[in-house]
Amino acid sequence: GAGVSQSPSNKVTEKGKDVELRCDPISGHTALYWYRQSLGQGLEFLIYFQGNSAPDKSGLPSDRFSAERTGGSVSTLTIQRTQQEDSAVYLCASSLGAGRSTEAFFGQGTRLTVV
Amino acid sequence: DAKTTQPPSMDCAEGRAANLPCNHSTISGNEYVYWYRQIHSQGPQYIIHGLKNNETNEMASLIITEDRKSSTLILPHATLRDTAVYYCIVRPLSYSNYQLIWGAGTKLIIKP
Repeated sequence: GAGVSQSPSNKVTEKGKDVELRCDPISGHTALYWYRQSLGQGLEFLIYFQGNSAPDKSGLPSDRFSAERTGGSVSTLTIQRTQQEDSAVYLCASSLGAGRSTEAFFGQGTRLTVV
Repeated sequence: DAKTTQPPSMDCAEGRAANLPCNHSTISGNEYVYWYRQIHSQGPQYIIHGLKNNETNEMASLIITEDRKSSTLILPHATLRDTAVYYCIVRPLSYSNYQLIWGAGTKLIIKP
């Protein structure tokens, strides 16, 4: 597709369950980012992939959060044993590179609600 | 913490110019000013960025004061579709996209 695609668009899960969120970046984009956005707040960085380099996981809030990027394209963010405070919109973005001159394109996000 | 200060909300009449202020008094010489916007239920969208010169593109103009401690994003003829949250972000030259620090932004409401 022409843009960054995320699925599902909405996810309601019970506390304690695991969830997987998917991101399809723009074709050819080597950099991929995951963010979290709570209601009325700015974006909180979670994890960053650049090509074949080891990902920067410095933003992950706990070891319940993990992410993979297979074949340098599709990425999956996994949250294990979900808690109510995990409820947020999870945004994925991609860019041609990671440098300052390359803008990031964002997907529509996945709204996660933990009940 | 975000390095910028923006008003939480603003109104503007349709067809008028919308002027969104941003204070970044602690900005250093190697930091760019970036603007993004986020329309309801969508991901953020890049608008414009600048270092010290004023910039203009098809979406907006960016006016940066001479001392670089503040800037203004100008939407010259606001439409209802410009209703969104607008984020002003400062970013060092050495930073990558993922290292941007996002504040709460300004909620701009365009009124008919």
